[in-house]
Amino acid sequence: EAQVTQNPRYLITVTGKKLTVTCSQNMNHEYMSWYRQDPGLGLRQIYYSMNVEVTDKGDVPEGYKVSRKEKRNFPLILESPSPNQTSLYFCASSSPRQTGTIYFGEGSWLTVV
Amino acid sequence: SQKIEQNSEALNIQEGKTATLTCNYTNYSPAYLQWYRQDPGRGPVFLLLIRENEKEKRKERLKVTFDTTLKQSLFHITASQPADSATYLCALWSGSSNTGKLIFGQGTTLQVKP
Repeated sequence: EAQVTQNPRYLITVTGKKLTVTCSQNMNHEYMSWYRQDPGLGLRQIYYSMNVEVTDKGDVPEGYKVSRKEKRNFPLILESPSPNQTSLYFCASSSPRQTGTIYFGEGSWLTVV
Repeated sequence: SQKIEQNSEALNIQEGKTATLTCNYTNYSPAYLQWYRQDPGRGPVFLLLIRENEKEKRKERLKVTFDTTLKQSLFHITASQPADSATYLCALWSGSSNTGKLIFGQGTTLQVKP
């Protein structure tokens, strides 16, 4: 079954404590991406990756890092989380990038206190 | 920069009627435009992709049109059912043909009443 798996699904953390949200896909997709969704602001792209070792900024990259060492994994790293990063996060993948079906994960609810 | 506008007001219709949702974009016309369905707390689910050289695309009860002159896409659900109640998002690739930036509208919530 085609899947994008995110972990953790729910997390409450404290300001400044580094955390990583993992994302894994089982479809051998080249393209992967991270989004955050906030009320009234919709889905906004944080980072994307065209392929292994190729990453680039989306519209809201500040405060986040990513890496793409393997094709299937695209972790999102919050080095020093702040309360304004409290949000619902989605990982997605597709192939081919622009015309293929984009699959989204189930989301990760992150609260920073 | 490229922007997408969807009607932020919820659309309430009666079961069996046709729902029509609008997606307007600014600046240049994208090569592809996509529509997604999102249920509360869940990830978006891809529905349809339409290319710039396609005027219309259909899939079962869904129909999407793409007017590059008006810079607008319309999304229709015919014979709507309460199970169609959800938020519908349009999205497009922003930038060059090699872009990896995918931008979304804020979505329109559809409520189908029995």
